[in-house]
Parts: sequence; C-alpha cells; structure tokens
Amino acid sequence: DIEMTQSPSSLSASVGDKVTITCRASQDITNYLNWYQQKPGKAPKLLIFVASMLQSGVPSRFSGSGSETEFSLTINSLQPDDFATYFCQQNYDTPYTFGQGTKLEIK
Amino acid sequence: EVQLVESGGGLVKPGGSLRLSCAASGFSFDKAWLTWVRQAPGKGLQWVGRIKGRDEGETTDYAAPVKGRFTISRDDSKSTLYLQMTSVTADDTAIYYCTLPAPADFWGPGTLVVVSS
Repeated sequence: DIEMTQSPSSLSASVGDKVTITCRASQDITNYLNWYQQKPGKAPKLLIFVASMLQSGVPSRFSGSGSETEFSLTINSLQPDDFATYFCQQNYDTPYTFGQGTKLEIK
Repeated sequence: EVQLVESGGGLVKPGGSLRLSCAASGFSFDKAWLTWVRQAPGKGLQWVGRIKGRDEGETTDYAAPVKGRFTISRDDSKSTLYLQMTSVTADDTAIYYCTLPAPADFWGPGTLVVVSS
C-alpha cells in the first residue's frame, strides 16, 4: 500500500497568515493527489484534485502543488472559516490511502 | 442535485454482522464508481473500498483491514450501494461514509457503527 505522510500534524496560525501543509507519498503517484477539508461533525470537502486543480466553488486562496512524492497545500490569507482539519489522499492506486491529517487551529 | 444517504448503522457485537446501505439520487448511478470511507471517533479517514460501474463489471477493491470480511455491492435498479460487514471487531467502530469520489466529490452524512459487547 502507498503510505501518505502529512506534516505538521497540527498547526496554529492567525487570521491573515499564509500556511503550508505538506504530504509525502511512499512512492511516485504522479499527480493523483487530493486535498480535503473537514470540520467537526461534517463530511470532508474536496479542495484540490490532481495535485493542483481547484475544485469548483473553493476560494482561490487555496492552492496545491507538487508531483511524484512531494505535495503541498497552501492557504493564503487565512480566514476564520479555514480553521479545520486537512487531509491528503492519493488516488493513484488502490487502496486510496489518506494522510493522517493536519489540524489547523487559531493562534 | 446529487444526494447520498447512508443507513443501517448501529450497535453490533464483536464477531457480528451488519449491512449498511447508501441510497443515491441525482446522477447516473449505474455508471458511477462509488466508495466507502470510514472515520473512527476522533481519528483520520480510512478508505474502505470501491465498486466500479456496470460497464467495468462492478469489480471491487478493498483496504487490507477489511478484505475478506467486508463486501461492497450495488443494486442499480434501486440506486443503492451496500456494505456488508462480517466478523466485526472494535476496530471497525467508525462513521461510515459512502462517496462519489473526486473530482465529483459527493459524500453522504455518514452512519455510525459501534462494535461493542
């Protein structure tokens, strides 16, 4: 199975900050990488697919980059609504494994 | 409007069985590849398995922890996805989501399964 390692596992930031979350795959997954946002008690929401494509309706302050084994999610100018948990997921090969998550908290 | 609604969760004893259902609407169900994802309380997301559409033979793939114990199936005439769970353990306690995966990305609200004696 492909292992996905996210860092950091938690992050404190302030409104207006720029933050970056990274995700490393245990093998080359080309660009088959999704990023999700999840809020407490809710299902996850797709933000980015194929590493850098912004899902419809997602604010442009979210961006994704990377390829092969190294990926990142950047949030520019954090808004109060962005404080949540973020997960990466590879959909290159089954099982489509997730990273362990990054909890973004208000400083 | 795409809708996915899971049902069938509840309390089940270790070693027992349970069948989850996911009623779907708003898209061409028979062609869709659908997945189950679970989330243990306070933990991360775990991909459980997938079933391909009718054109691809409705083939299935599973994560290692559930392979041989869980079975994903579909009834295209009812636009319903199923997850048959057998030989459950405490590690199977989770919210179970059915999903229409990325890039479409639709999720149901989830159904909670608790495995406890």
